[in-house]
Amino acid sequence: AQSVTQLGSHVSVSEGALVLLRCNYSSSVPPYLFWYVQYPNQGLQLLLKYTSAATLVKGINGFEAEFKKSETSFHLTKPSAHMSDAAEYFCAVTRLGYSTLTFGKGTMLLVSP
Amino acid sequence: DVKVTQSSRYLVKRTGEKVFLECVQDMDHENMFWYRQDPGLGLRLIYFSYDVKMKEKGDIPEGYSVSREKKERFSLILESASTNQTSMYLCASSPRPGDTKNIQYFGAGTRLSVL
Repeated sequence: AQSVTQLGSHVSVSEGALVLLRCNYSSSVPPYLFWYVQYPNQGLQLLLKYTSAATLVKGINGFEAEFKKSETSFHLTKPSAHMSDAAEYFCAVTRLGYSTLTFGKGTMLLVSP
Repeated sequence: DVKVTQSSRYLVKRTGEKVFLECVQDMDHENMFWYRQDPGLGLRLIYFSYDVKMKEKGDIPEGYSVSREKKERFSLILESASTNQTSMYLCASSPRPGDTKNIQYFGAGTRLSVL
């Protein structure tokens, strides 16, 4: 079975500060990992994905994530937060040949001026 | 761009009513999914379909059924709505595994209130 743990249901940062959202996964086989973002009253939108190529993955809106097998982590970062980054972020895991994703419980990012 | 359209953004129904949530995708995707989203619980898979008339139960199928008569359309049915089914419902679609690596595309969601 696969699972995802997102540490912190809420993360608060100031505008211009580093954003770090944590995701740890559990998988007995090589995982595919995803970060999705959900803006208020909208569906989920893909930010970035890791599918066994480069371990440092760049996504949209200046976000990136690094796959670390030794730490079973896939943390999401952005060097400088913007007010428009305020949203809920979900980490998800799957594996080769599988259609379904297993999602974490989400982290709400709050950005203050 | 891929478009996944959910027929209603907001629905208010009464306990015991039969409720239909409709979802249409325009990218000829084989897979379609229904999720339920609740605060603090993230997204939980209710059902998914990998082909017309084919379906598999997800993590929380109790109280729900689905229908997929055409490839582009996937319906979620609450046979007898209950107050504990008040939630946000999200539909998604994706190509088969191996094509673009399982990316799921989501609709905007339907917020259902059962009174």
